[in-house]
Amino acid sequence: EAGVTQSPTHLIKTRGQQATLRCSPISGHTSVYWYQQALGLGLQFLLWYDEGEERNRGNFPPRFSGRQFPNYSSELNVNALELEDSALYLCASSLAGVLDTQYFGPGTRLTVL
Amino acid sequence: AQSVTQLGSHVSVSEGALVLLRCNYSSSVPPYLFWYVQYPNQGLQLLLKYTSAATLVKGINGFEAEFKKSETSFHLTKPSAHMSDAAEYFCAVSGPNTGNQFYFGTGTSLTVIP
Repeated sequence: EAGVTQSPTHLIKTRGQQATLRCSPISGHTSVYWYQQALGLGLQFLLWYDEGEERNRGNFPPRFSGRQFPNYSSELNVNALELEDSALYLCASSLAGVLDTQYFGPGTRLTVL
Repeated sequence: AQSVTQLGSHVSVSEGALVLLRCNYSSSVPPYLFWYVQYPNQGLQLLLKYTSAATLVKGINGFEAEFKKSETSFHLTKPSAHMSDAAEYFCAVSGPNTGNQFYFGTGTSLTVIP
């Protein structure tokens, strides 16, 4: 069974640009989570989508947004990129919402120059 | 709000020695507790989880953790460290009182000395 996949693996942008990151969950999983892992800051919760709707949001500005498609894949958009947005962005999926085990993808490394 | 505290951001052990990584949580209601491992340049992999069944939980790669309600702890142990155990380890909590959110600790980097 395929795990969580993310694309691209690496993304290099300049300040002010927009970045789009993609995630495909494990087949049958309806919940998708996004986390930011910046150097020295651990994992910071960004967004949780379930059944196509945003269920919860972490303490991030509105320029971080996303959506979940009918096939449960998800997209994270970061507008007006800032240097401090440089981080590893991890996507996870779960079968039954936030109380269930989350399975993580390999991440997208975003570098903002 | 829920929180998870991992004591010791860096832990070094000799190969073959006991591994002990500490995790304490704050919750008035027993939560669900997880340990994840992250190898360099990879995502997180589930080691084990506690969901109110047996208090001693066995995971992959010889790791285990014990839920102690009186101490609000969920420490991760392995009797004998192997070089391949060198990685970043994260404790996480979720449950009815987490506001629909998964909370991760700040991580402990484990170094195994040959």
